[in-house]
Amino acid sequence: AQSVTQLGSHVSVSEGALVLLRCNYSSSVPPYLFWYVQYPNQGLQLLLKYTSAATLVKGINGFEAEFKKSETSFHLTKPSAHMSDAAEYFCAVIAGYSSASKIIFGSGTRLSIRP
Amino acid sequence: ETGVTQTPRHLVMGMTNKKSLKCEQHLGHNAMYWYKQSAKKPLELMFVYSLEERVENNSVPSRFSPECPNSSHLFLHLHTLQPEDSALYLCASSQGVTNNSPLHFGNGTRLTVT
Repeated sequence: AQSVTQLGSHVSVSEGALVLLRCNYSSSVPPYLFWYVQYPNQGLQLLLKYTSAATLVKGINGFEAEFKKSETSFHLTKPSAHMSDAAEYFCAVIAGYSSASKIIFGSGTRLSIRP
Repeated sequence: ETGVTQTPRHLVMGMTNKKSLKCEQHLGHNAMYWYKQSAKKPLELMFVYSLEERVENNSVPSRFSPECPNSSHLFLHLHTLQPEDSALYLCASSQGVTNNSPLHFGNGTRLTVT
């Protein structure tokens, strides 16, 4: 069975600083991995996805994530935080060739940006 | 109108009421989902409707009843709810249910049960 763990329920960074949101997964078969973002009073929006092509995945709004099999990690980064990045971020995993209905979401990390 | 639209955005209901949540997708997708988002808990899949499969989470109480009349519309009928059912209910759609089909979410219905 697959699972996903997001380290840190709340991360606060200064505007212009590096953003690093951590995600570790567990899967007995090669996983498909996703990052979603949820702005206040909205639903989730896909940021990026890893589907076994390139290990470094670029997403929207300047975010990227790197798949590291040896570390079972898929951390989300952005070189320079912007005030508009304040939101909740969810890492998610689907194991191998499973259905999209089997997607497992992490508990989320709330990102705050300090002026 | 594009994307996934959910109505109403907010709903307050008593435990004896009957209400329905509505979801409509304008993306041409053929799979639709209901998720429950509670504070400090991971998203919980409640139901999936698609051409390939219908999934019902066995832990979802029978006071929640889904209806999917066609590939563009999804309803969640509610009756005799409990206060612990208060949450954000999110609808999502996808093109198929393969592992490479990202979910597109609506903005949710914030449900409060009094």
